[in-house]
Amino acid sequence: DAKTTQPTSMDCAEGRAANLPCNHSTISGNEYVYWYRQIHSQGPQYIIHGLKNNETNEMASLIITEDRKSSTLILPHATLRDTAVYYCIVRVPLDLIGNEKLTFGTGTRLTIIP
Amino acid sequence: DVKVTQSSRYLVKRTGEKVFLECVQDMDHENMFWYRQDPGLGLRLIYFSYDVKMKEKGDIPEGYSVSREKKERFSLILESASTNQTSMYLCASSSGGQSSGANVLTFGAGSRLTVL
Repeated sequence: DAKTTQPTSMDCAEGRAANLPCNHSTISGNEYVYWYRQIHSQGPQYIIHGLKNNETNEMASLIITEDRKSSTLILPHATLRDTAVYYCIVRVPLDLIGNEKLTFGTGTRLTIIP
Repeated sequence: DVKVTQSSRYLVKRTGEKVFLECVQDMDHENMFWYRQDPGLGLRLIYFSYDVKMKEKGDIPEGYSVSREKKERFSLILESASTNQTSMYLCASSSGGQSSGANVLTFGAGSRLTVL
């Protein structure tokens, strides 16, 4: 299984870009990187995922290095509501038809400072 | 708005009781999952199912069983609850398949179980 390593916690000033790093040095060629976040007392929420290319959606951008051994989630203009635990995980194939399980680590606790 | 609904937000049970945690999704998803979440340990996968009546053990299945009689419902069962099963339990579902977005998980709000 590809494992991920994330910093335990980070702070970011409100209005600035929050850059959350993730290392996944053992990722294999067909494994996607997923990001989720969890606001206190709620279930995790999907943010974005990618394979090789950089991705962007209305919530965030995902930058994956060329060797795919690390990635960075970027929240371009952080607000207080972005305070949450952010999980970087990789897809572990379950069977030949593409079903899979996702294993979560402990994530990065991001605090947005007013 | 699509959703995953967990029947109980908070439960308090006694040691030895049988506990049912229910989860229902309205997205016609193939895959369903049960996780537990504890401080410092992140989310750990208990059981999952990728078809009706199918179930697979996750990373920590001991002390738990599951039931999936209908596609939309996935139940987690604690046959004899113990204090070390006090935790937040999270249900999730995904559509399944090979497209890149097919395995995005949608989570419920969680069920916080306390076993006394």
